[in-house]
Amino acid sequence: SQQGEEDPQALSIQEGENATMNCSYKTSINNLQWYRQNSGRGLVHLILIRSNEREKHSGRLRVTLDTSKKSSSLLITASRAADTASYFCATDGIGNEKLTFGTGTRLTIIP
Amino acid sequence: EPEVTQTPSHQVTQMGQEVILRCVPISNHLYFYWYRQILGQKVEFLVSFYNNEISEKSEIFDDQFSVERPDGSNFTLKIRSTKLEDSAMYFCASARIQGSGYTFGSGTRLTVV
Repeated sequence: SQQGEEDPQALSIQEGENATMNCSYKTSINNLQWYRQNSGRGLVHLILIRSNEREKHSGRLRVTLDTSKKSSSLLITASRAADTASYFCATDGIGNEKLTFGTGTRLTIIP
Repeated sequence: EPEVTQTPSHQVTQMGQEVILRCVPISNHLYFYWYRQILGQKVEFLVSFYNNEISEKSEIFDDQFSVERPDGSNFTLKIRSTKLEDSAMYFCASARIQGSGYTFGSGTRLTVV
């Protein structure tokens, strides 16, 4: 797989449920970030986790990072209809500032 | 909250024409980027810009592409002779320091016909 692969590709859940999305990557990273993109719109930065961190919280978001498995997960708790969007992970390497994006998970929250 | 502003939001151009995509990054940011997203595909890095010069560019960013920061506020991407495959959403982003979260603009949808 390529650097930054999310799974699942698509996820539909009922409003109020928790949504978990996963991201795997191949090369060593400096930071891993998660972004949200509403259909046809820009990318909104959600959270950044550094390579020496294992877990981070921001509101209803919880991100974990396992550098030994080269994977990260994004958990959205108590989902809302407004959370419907595509979610991307993006990594940057040590001494390499460009972001490499994953393929994204399309999340649909059913009211 | 400070925003990255991109204009126009949508541009249609004839193949072979030059286009300039404009961005106004956040005022105290020092690092500037262009990314693109072909419909249904990944977001791809094009170029990064710091201290008035290109710091890194991808294979996509060939001689047809150029970037400029003509004054203290604007950051532009020029495509000299557009091709059909240049049709994509182009995103500008800026960051205050390296390794921090980027702020992306809402994008310019470029359609080459």
